[in-house]
Amino acid sequence: QVQMVQSGAEVKKPGSSVKVSCKVSGDTFSSYTINWVRQAPGQGLEWMGRIIPILGVTNYAQTFQDRGTITADKSTGTAYMDLTSLRSEDTAVYYCAAFKGALDYWGQGTLVTVSS
Amino acid sequence: QSVLTQPPSASGTPGQRVTVSCSGSSSNIGSNTVNWYQQFPGTAPKLLIYSDNRRPSGVPDRFSGSKSGTSASLAISGLQSDDEADYHCAAWDDGLNVRVFGGGTKLTVL
Repeated sequence: QVQMVQSGAEVKKPGSSVKVSCKVSGDTFSSYTINWVRQAPGQGLEWMGRIIPILGVTNYAQTFQDRGTITADKSTGTAYMDLTSLRSEDTAVYYCAAFKGALDYWGQGTLVTVSS
Repeated sequence: QSVLTQPPSASGTPGQRVTVSCSGSSSNIGSNTVNWYQQFPGTAPKLLIYSDNRRPSGVPDRFSGSKSGTSASLAISGLQSDDEADYHCAAWDDGLNVRVFGGGTKLTVL
């Protein structure tokens, strides 16, 4: 069974950047598409973007096109989500989710708090 | 504003059958499969239904999914207190080229 373990909580100042990691184990990393989804306090789920590690191809929701970067290190089976120019509205729990066919598996989430 | 529309809340009594709706359009639900997720407070979403109506291993058959046109539904029969959670629908949107979610439905077991 695939497992996804994310990096720990972060507290950031407005205008700074954050990089969240997601390590995949238990199956072949390159057989998955890694998605990033965030959830602001009390809100629904918002898809940010995804990467297909075997191809190195990414696509992003328009909201994150300019500020977000998703990368993957096939050698370590780890995906990363980098978000720049942070603002208070970016305070949320960030999830990675590995998709394989129609099934998906989620990490435990990483709380990112943006506060001055 | 979510692309997929869900009622913000639903409720039922133990043993009852409840349904949660998810309304979309021809570019998402109308042309792609729907997944449903169950989420308890402070935890990650868990896949409940995939490909409109299939259950991952370990999900009880009390949970079922269906789809017709541009709408999908999640049904929970034999409602239990443990089912009290948030439920989210999701699908790929071909027009926006993004994965879209509903706003989530909070299910209360009375």
